[in-house]
Amino acid sequence: EAQVTQNPRYLITVTGKKLTVTCSQNMNHEYMSWYRQDPGLGLRQIYYSMNVEVTDKGDVPEGYKVSRKEKRNFPLILESPSPNQTSLYFCASSFQSGVAYNEQFFGPGTRLTVL
Amino acid sequence: DAKTTQPPSMDCAEGRAANLPCNHSTISGNEYVYWYRQIHSQGPQYIIHGLKNNETNEMASLIITEDRKSSTLILPHATLRDTAVYYCIVRKVYGGATNKLIFGTGTLLAVQP
Repeated sequence: EAQVTQNPRYLITVTGKKLTVTCSQNMNHEYMSWYRQDPGLGLRQIYYSMNVEVTDKGDVPEGYKVSRKEKRNFPLILESPSPNQTSLYFCASSFQSGVAYNEQFFGPGTRLTVL
Repeated sequence: DAKTTQPPSMDCAEGRAANLPCNHSTISGNEYVYWYRQIHSQGPQYIIHGLKNNETNEMASLIITEDRKSSTLILPHATLRDTAVYYCIVRKVYGGATNKLIFGTGTLLAVQP
């Protein structure tokens, strides 16, 4: 089944404790992206990757890192989480940007709480 | 990308057609209309997209006015599982470097039994 998976689905952590949220897709998509969703602010793009070893900042990259060492995986790293990073996070993937009709597939979401 | 306007909420009776409107009066010629939906806190799900012709797939129909300034998403026989926030997104044919989707506030469709 074609899908985007994220782990963990729920995480409660404390300020400053490094964490990684994994994202994996099995559709051989070149493009992957991370969004966060907050009440009243909608979904905002954090980072994106157009292919292996190619990543770039989205609209709200501060406090986050990403890597793209393999095509299928795109982990989101919070080196020193803070309470303002409490949010619902979504990973998405699609065929390469620049191609029309590039439907994006979203993962199930990771609900992160930073105390 | 052009801005869209949607009603904040709508109700629909189960089994009836749900018609969700979207205004995009500043749409330009190379911009498509996309619809996604988000069922409570799940990941957004693609529904359909179109340029100027009406489109239909297994999930829904999309009707775009001749001047392309507005569109309507039609769920022909709404079920309780269709209760979700529906987002109308206008974007260029090519996603651009970021390929990001700009989600507005959407329409909360509540399907009533």
